[in-house]
Amino acid sequence: GDSVTQMEGPVTLSEEAFLTINCTYTATGYPSLFWYVQYPGEGLQLLLKATKADDKGSNKGFEATYRKETTSFHLEKGSVQVSDSAVYFCALRTGTASKLTFGTGTRLQVTL
Amino acid sequence: DTGVSQDPRHKITKRGQNVTFRCDPISEHNRLYWYRQTLGQGPEFLTYFQNEAQLEKSRLLSDRFSAERPKGSFSTLEIQRTEQGDSAMYLCASSLLDRVSGNTIYFGEGSWLTVV
Repeated sequence: GDSVTQMEGPVTLSEEAFLTINCTYTATGYPSLFWYVQYPGEGLQLLLKATKADDKGSNKGFEATYRKETTSFHLEKGSVQVSDSAVYFCALRTGTASKLTFGTGTRLQVTL
Repeated sequence: DTGVSQDPRHKITKRGQNVTFRCDPISEHNRLYWYRQTLGQGPEFLTYFQNEAQLEKSRLLSDRFSAERPKGSFSTLEIQRTEQGDSAMYLCASSLLDRVSGNTIYFGEGSWLTVV
């Protein structure tokens, strides 16, 4: 079945540091890939997405590139801020399937 | 444009009691989903509706769980005879399945359930 594997957290960075959160996937078919962010006590917000190989999703300074050859969708940001502290979830959906399959999430903590 | 709204945001109940959560999706979204999230885990799919039809249910959705979307707008998720293992956040989401939007799924803020 479909699955998503994320690097374990927490990831602790100083403000303005470079961020990478690794995400790899296993899917039957050709998935669309997503990053969602969850701030404390809140639901999930869509951060970015990519629907085909080599697509780059970007939003709020975050980027992720759909790499079919390595089945990966790593999240990056060049300079993190304290306000980026949250839990980040990688997810996939195959075809027009109804459900998203999520990874376990990676907690990011950014300090001054 | 309001987002997906859920009510109540927090619920504490005694084991064995019934609880009901309500979800109002984004206006005109034809798909509505329920997910469950426990601490330290990613959300897990429970069920989804297209308009008023419930098209898929996860094996996680035991007989004690029932979801409805009677008029294709809001939805309710009822848990009967709650157990401590039901303690989780219940997330509702919605999407518009069409060629333009591509079925992007938007989540509500969730309803926290604590069973004591």
